[in-house]
Amino acid sequence: QVQLQQWGAGLLKPSETLSLTCAVNGGSFSSHWWTWIRQPPGKGLEWIGEINHSGGTNYNPSLKSRVTISVDTSNNQFSLRLTSVTAADTAVYYCVTGGNWRFDPWGRGTLVTVSS
Amino acid sequence: QSALTQPASVSGSPGQSITISCTGTNSDIGGHNYVCWYQQHPGKAPKLMISDVSNRPSGVSNRFSGSKSGNTASLTISGLQAEDEADYYCSSYTSSSTWVFGGGTKLTVL
Repeated sequence: QVQLQQWGAGLLKPSETLSLTCAVNGGSFSSHWWTWIRQPPGKGLEWIGEINHSGGTNYNPSLKSRVTISVDTSNNQFSLRLTSVTAADTAVYYCVTGGNWRFDPWGRGTLVTVSS
Repeated sequence: QSALTQPASVSGSPGQSITISCTGTNSDIGGHNYVCWYQQHPGKAPKLMISDVSNRPSGVSNRFSGSKSGNTASLTISGLQAEDEADYYCSSYTSSSTWVFGGGTKLTVL
């Protein structure tokens, strides 16, 4: 069974770059699409994008210009970079196991706050 | 891409059944059967409850069921229990190889 452990900076200033990493334990790293999903406080879920073990990516068109998802197959990790953050990017960011047309399981989430 | 449309809230008494709808377009829900439902309790990560429109993952109660008609998917919870009180989100794959979520529905068990 896949387990996800995520980490990264929780407080950013406007215009800075958000950076989060997720480590994958268990399961087959090459069998899934590794996904980032976010949830602003009190609001709904938003799919950010995904990457496979070969580096193939798909991004949310509304974030595509600022997002990069990368993969480190040697360490079974994947990462999210979001540039030029604003207060609107304040959210809980989840790393998620994708593939097989579902998101399961989910990481515990990291609250990222953007404030001057 | 626009979010899928869900009712903001639904409610029901213990033992009753409720249905949550999720409306999209021909480019998402109506285009294939890759529709999922997630349950989220406060402060917790979402949990997969239904995949592929109507499949229940192992461990999910058979009180949860899913269906689809045209551009609208539905989640039905029968025999409501207090522990079912949570937020529920639908999601769908899209024709652009992206994913879209519904705005979420808050279920209150009266």
